[in-house]
Amino acid sequence: DADVTQTPRNRITKTGKRIMLECSQTKGHDRMYWYRQDPGLGLRLIYYSFDVKDINKGEISDGYSVSRQAQAKFSLSLESAIPNQTALYFCATSVGHRDTGELFFGEGSRLTVL
Amino acid sequence: GQNIDQPTEMTATEGAIVQINCTYQTSGFNGLFWYQQHAGEAPTFLSYNVLDGLEEKGRFSSFLSRSKGYSYLLLKELQMKDSASYLCAVLDSNYQLIWGAGTKLIIKP
Repeated sequence: DADVTQTPRNRITKTGKRIMLECSQTKGHDRMYWYRQDPGLGLRLIYYSFDVKDINKGEISDGYSVSRQAQAKFSLSLESAIPNQTALYFCATSVGHRDTGELFFGEGSRLTVL
Repeated sequence: GQNIDQPTEMTATEGAIVQINCTYQTSGFNGLFWYQQHAGEAPTFLSYNVLDGLEEKGRFSSFLSRSKGYSYLLLKELQMKDSASYLCAVLDSNYQLIWGAGTKLIIKP
């Protein structure tokens, strides 16, 4: 089983619908992240969390919200999906050392908004 | 602004050597990472450089020059399975990762 698990892996939805992407991890890491990946662009950070009580906006948080339900779970919500949120979304985790940026990624969730 | 530049695509031959360059302009520097990403899959960690010089790990090596804002990933004895995108990322002064768009490496027999 994967250490970082994302559900769903693929989702097609319509404009205006609410969508939740879920991420769970068994690595015991405190830090969790949500990224989106678009063709021709680098990974862009949406939100990150350094522990259950700590939530921070990334560079492209508009239109998204997150919930850190437990150390192992970090969910991303699109309250009202729009077509330009069509992308590949990755959840990632890392250990809590400031000088270690190695990320462990989930398998990705491909979202299509029609 | 912060910027990571790497070539969009490169082609190389099986068994050969290829060097993928990455230049960066960031607010501070706390390390540079290379990740490998096969099509449709998650990125996986390859290397981390924080000091100048060459780090060798099997067929893969990564070089860093902080004064030049430059790194390269060197892949030797290329295999078909090395066909993937290679992502360069820099940890800035706020310990945030800044990502390049990735270099798609195509390996031909």
